[in-house]
Amino acid sequence: QKEVEQNSGPLSVPEGAIASLNCTYSDRGSQSFFWYRQYSGKSPELIMSIYSNGDKEDGRFTAQLNKASQYVSLLIRDSQPSDSATYLCAVKSGGYQKVTFGTGTKLQVIP
Amino acid sequence: NAGVTQTPKFQVLKTGQSMTLQCAQDMNHNSMYWYRQDPGMGLRLIYYSASEGTTDKGEVPNGYNVSRLNKREFSLRLESAAPSQTSVYFCASSEADHGNEKLFFGSGTQLSVL
Repeated sequence: QKEVEQNSGPLSVPEGAIASLNCTYSDRGSQSFFWYRQYSGKSPELIMSIYSNGDKEDGRFTAQLNKASQYVSLLIRDSQPSDSATYLCAVKSGGYQKVTFGTGTKLQVIP
Repeated sequence: NAGVTQTPKFQVLKTGQSMTLQCAQDMNHNSMYWYRQDPGMGLRLIYYSASEGTTDKGEVPNGYNVSRLNKREFSLRLESAAPSQTSVYFCASSEADHGNEKLFFGSGTQLSVL
């Protein structure tokens, strides 16, 4: 079992819709959770981090964490064509500096 | 600000050749990482260094060695390159403090092993 799992997609949504991206992780001791966006041919860049159960909102992005279910999600409201990218879920193990990534979900926003 | 600098950007090797990928950061970060990215595989951790003087294996360390030369520099060495090591390699750095753990990535190295 991979430590961090994501559906590879592609996930296609129309412009203006809500995109929902999901991630599960296996290490119950994980304490820090991240969403990175990666455009084709570019380096990943951090868009959201979350550390406690519940929702965290930043502009059009909302990260959701449920530690009991070992589940992290990212909602993108009012999706734009510029949001088309691969979204990588990352998890940092508790007590260690190791950061593990999922395989990423490719999002396509259709104009 | 330079951030994280990786060299080279592109490299072609023949099977069995050796090479070192260089990485340097100017943000005074404690932690540094080497990842490889292959189609459909996401980012896989090769080695990481939590602080100067320490290194630890990640998910896919076989065939690689690393050196944390000082706080700024973290190099990745392929002693005898194999076609399976054809990949894009990313170096990253971050602070070690909980709540301040954003990874800053270099621009990547496209490596082809023939």
